[in-house]
Amino acid sequence: QVRLVESGGGVVQPGTSLRLSCAASGFTFSNYDIHWVRQAPGKGLEWVALISYDGNIKHYVDSVKGRFTVSRDNSKNTLYLQMNSLRPEDTGVYYCAKRGEWEKLEIDSWGQGTLVTVSS
Amino acid sequence: QSVLTQAPSASGTPGQRVTISCSGSDSNIGSDAVNWFQQRPGMAPKLLIYSNTQRPSGVPDRFSGSRSGTSASLAITGLQSEDEATYYCAAWDDRLNGGVFGGGTKLTVL
Repeated sequence: QVRLVESGGGVVQPGTSLRLSCAASGFTFSNYDIHWVRQAPGKGLEWVALISYDGNIKHYVDSVKGRFTVSRDNSKNTLYLQMNSLRPEDTGVYYCAKRGEWEKLEIDSWGQGTLVTVSS
Repeated sequence: QSVLTQAPSASGTPGQRVTISCSGSDSNIGSDAVNWFQQRPGMAPKLLIYSNTQRPSGVPDRFSGSRSGTSASLAITGLQSEDEATYYCAAWDDRLNGGVFGGGTKLTVL
């Protein structure tokens, strides 16, 4: 079955960097676009980024453009989110999530999430 | 303020039918398919409806989706206690060139 396991979260100070990873298994990773979606404590879901199956096309929410970079290594079945210049408002659980067969926001599998806390 | 608008809460009694609405614009719901997710406390979201009306395998047919113009709805019939969760709509926004979620509707089964 599809499995997505995020790692790399932690407590960091504002202005610093963090890299999240997402290890995928149970499906042909190189065939699917993958999202990052985050959720601030007690708040709703916020879409963060989408990377195409081959890594050539990337989309970001405006609030992270220029600070976050999504990438993937299909040889390692792994997705990354490099987060620079972190702000307190970036605090939350970060999910990697697999796009389905049809729609861009058809997210048919989710990881368990990794918590990022940005605080001084 | 979310791009897609949902009422923050809804409620119903067991066996009842409830509807959750999602309002958007021409650049998202009006031009792209709506997807619905269920999230129970402490859990990752789960896909309930995709392509406006389609249910993934394993999702009970008590759940149904519809879209009209720039609005969409999720209907739950035969409400059960296990349906108590927060429900989110989501779509791609062609103007923002990114994904957008509704703010979520917390459903309480009384």
